[in-house]
Amino acid sequence: GAGVSQSPRYKVAKRGQDVALRCDPISGHVSLFWYQQALGQGPEFLTYFQNEAQLDKSGLPSDRFFAERPEGSVSTLKIQRTQQEDSAVYLCASSSPGQGALLNYEQYFGPGTRLTVT
Amino acid sequence: GNSVTQMEGPVTLSEEAFLTINCTYTATGYPSLFWYVQYPGEGLQLLLKATKADDKGSNKGFEATYRKETTSFHLEKGSVQVSDSAVYFCALTPSGSARQLTFGSGTQLTVLP
Repeated sequence: GAGVSQSPRYKVAKRGQDVALRCDPISGHVSLFWYQQALGQGPEFLTYFQNEAQLDKSGLPSDRFFAERPEGSVSTLKIQRTQQEDSAVYLCASSSPGQGALLNYEQYFGPGTRLTVT
Repeated sequence: GNSVTQMEGPVTLSEEAFLTINCTYTATGYPSLFWYVQYPGEGLQLLLKATKADDKGSNKGFEATYRKETTSFHLEKGSVQVSDSAVYFCALTPSGSARQLTFGSGTQLTVLP
């Protein structure tokens, strides 16, 4: 079956441009996460959706970052007025809720979008 | 808050050598613990996990034991192969929740033939 897909895989933006990054989760997965991975670092949480509801956006670094998942499937991460410090790999992950008390379901990651702001 | 501290790399080993990558964590309660692997040019993949104290996760010859008393989850493999060359990330999710992962900074492993 298809895994998590992300597009584009690579994006070069001039400083000040707006960008939109797309994530297609695994079909039927309720939860969707966005992470930012700077070069040589571990991924850092940005935001989390359960179906179409954005339940946690505490990791978004500024109000230039906006994410949506209007129909509970595909998600878009938008960055307005990009800055050089936004250069990173943006990872999307999806998962399906576990059963009962076994809240240890796996997050499946996409290949990421590498954003370079020049 | 929650945090994960990993042994700094890079780590370079000869094929068939023994591998240990240290990982310690800070979290309240009983988090779930994970090791993810990122092969060159590929996305993050779950390698193994453990959800309660003294659990041992294992996969592909790798093992890690959830040690509550030392808040550790060290990754080990008895005999590494060239194909194990990758970046390894230790991570946790908080107890009672399967929400966002908190990752360590990653350890680059290179295995030489």
